[in-house]
Amino acid sequence: EVQLVESGGGLVQPGRSLRLSCAASGFNFDNYAMHWVRQAPGKGLEWVSGISWKSGSMGYADSVKGRFTISRDNAKNSLYLQMNSLRAEDTALYYCAKDKGWQLVRSGGLDVWGQGTTVTVSS
Amino acid sequence: DIQMTQSPSSVSASVGDRLNITCRASQGISRWLAWYQQKPGKAPKLLIYAASSLQSGVPSRFSGSGSGTDFSLTISSLQPEDFATYYCQQADSFPFTFGPGTKVDIK
Repeated sequence: EVQLVESGGGLVQPGRSLRLSCAASGFNFDNYAMHWVRQAPGKGLEWVSGISWKSGSMGYADSVKGRFTISRDNAKNSLYLQMNSLRAEDTALYYCAKDKGWQLVRSGGLDVWGQGTTVTVSS
Repeated sequence: DIQMTQSPSSVSASVGDRLNITCRASQGISRWLAWYQQKPGKAPKLLIYAASSLQSGVPSRFSGSGSGTDFSLTISSLQPEDFATYYCQQADSFPFTFGPGTKVDIK
């Protein structure tokens, strides 16, 4: 079964850091680009970051650029999101999602999603 | 950055209705557009990719069309399980952006 399982969310104070992880199974992880998408409570979807199959290309939303870093370990079938200098507006459910293709742009959309991990930034 | 807009923002419809949702990009994105369905408390589900390609397992009552800046998602005959929120997303260039969503509820 194709599956993505996120972990690492929690309650964190503004300005602190958190690292999210996503464990993939049931497919050849190193053949596909991967993404993080978030959804604030009661709001729409916001693409956060993406990484190509061999980590050669990465992209970030303007709202997180310079604070968040995406990475992957193909040997461990895992995707990560290092989140630094967290702000209240980063509070959201964070989804890990698989791309239909290997490249990061001009591919087919996000066809497999995890159930998400919740990040709450509050003092 | 490419901005995505959707209309309507919400719609009330009945089972059996034909429904069209439109999505507009602030600049041309060729056919690099996807549509997703999200139900409350659930992760989004890919319906359509590359503007008009039906994702495997998605019922044929869903279809997509368009290119450049103007796109649409059509549900030919609404079923009870189709009441949800629908999002478009451009995958042409960074940063990827989602539309604000269209909520479809029961009339």
